[in-house]
Amino acid sequence: EIVLTQSPGTLSLSPGERATLSCRASQNVNSNYVAWYQQKPGQAPRLLIFSTSSRPTGIPDRFTGSGSGTDFTLTISSLEPEDFAVYYCQQFGTSLTFGPGTKVDIK
Amino acid sequence: EVQLLESGGGLVQPGGSLRVSCVASGFTFSSYAMTWVRQAPGKGLEWVSSISGSGRSTYYADSVKGRFTISRDNSKKTLYLQMNGLTAADTAVFYCAKTVVPTAMYYYGMGVWGQGTTVTVSS
Repeated sequence: EIVLTQSPGTLSLSPGERATLSCRASQNVNSNYVAWYQQKPGQAPRLLIFSTSSRPTGIPDRFTGSGSGTDFTLTISSLEPEDFAVYYCQQFGTSLTFGPGTKVDIK
Repeated sequence: EVQLLESGGGLVQPGGSLRVSCVASGFTFSSYAMTWVRQAPGKGLEWVSSISGSGRSTYYADSVKGRFTISRDNSKKTLYLQMNGLTAADTAVFYCAKTVVPTAMYYYGMGVWGQGTTVTVSS
């Protein structure tokens, strides 16, 4: 089973700053099956990125996904107040797994 | 508007059974693979099970294989998860989710999620 590691565990930033979240897989993954989700307390997750870099309708373009092989990145170009949340990456190899999450909080 | 509404959660004793449901609206239900994801209190997300749009193909995490059964009734636009042999480790919020694009496999990403239903396994 492919294991995902997300770093950092917590990212403390101010509104307007750029956030770079990393997701590393224990072996190569198919980039078509890499997704990113945002979850706020008490809410269901929300899909931000699928197939490594595609944004669903309605997701702001400040969210960008990139990567290949074992290393994937979610970048938030300029943090808005509503972006402070936990972010999970997801991949599929032989099974669908999520990373442990990165919490983006207000500095 | 696309919506998913879960129900059926509750308190169940260890070793017991429970069936949770998810009613869909606002999209062509049979065109989408559907998935159950759970989240234990204070923990991250765990994929549980998925089913193809037709219902002919099902997939399970090792942690629930042989105990949980996913199914769907496309005429009722409803997804189910039958859970047997429940243990404390199954205590979680269970979310149903719709695949991001029609006819795609479940692992492309889950584009819409329900609000979740809470399952608590305790004596």
